[in-house]
Amino acid sequence: GAVVSQHPSRVICKSGTSVKIECRSLDFQATTMFWYRQFPKQSLMLMATSNEGSKATYEQGVEKDKFLINHASLTLSTLTVTSAHPEDSSFYICSARESGGVFYEQYFGPGTRLTVT
Amino acid sequence: ELKVEQNPLFLSMQEGKNYTIYCNYSTTSDRLYWYRQDPGKSLESLFVLLSNGAVKQEGRLMASLDTKARLSTLHITAAVHDLSATYFCAVDISFGNEKLTFGTGTRLTIIP
Repeated sequence: GAVVSQHPSRVICKSGTSVKIECRSLDFQATTMFWYRQFPKQSLMLMATSNEGSKATYEQGVEKDKFLINHASLTLSTLTVTSAHPEDSSFYICSARESGGVFYEQYFGPGTRLTVT
Repeated sequence: ELKVEQNPLFLSMQEGKNYTIYCNYSTTSDRLYWYRQDPGKSLESLFVLLSNGAVKQEGRLMASLDTKARLSTLHITAAVHDLSATYFCAVDISFGNEKLTFGTGTRLTIIP
């Protein structure tokens, strides 16, 4: 089955620093990847849609300058949280849709837990 | 704006009992998803419902979709402890873009 990995799985950083999270599709090519954020005991909120070779589309209320997304290849999208603050602490989950695959299938990564101190 | 609501938000039930989780959404959609999330983990796909009247079953879980009522149900039969988790429904209304809007989640606890 299609596998999506994320790295790192956990990261602790100091306030003001930047953190990069990688999302990789391991056995398929993904034209489109999605980034979600989940606060404790809450639902998932879509942050942005990442398309290979083009700019990401951000959801309303998500700061594009703070959450930088780069989808440089068909198997890798990165989310960089710039100048992180404690309120950015959250569980970040990516998902990927296989290029040319079944249109409704999304495969989710294992998530990255970010803690900003 | 699409809203996806689940009912109940919290559910504590005894093993062996049956129960139903409801998912209501506010805008027309023909695609609805059910996911399971264990504490500290990501999402596990359970069901994809693609048309009105669709019904899918896997083990003790059965999901159905009524697009006219904008309602999906996840029915649990003879619950066992292993089913304790948070269950999310998600709706996709942007055909060709597959942007999912998630429901509020139902935290299910099965008591032995």
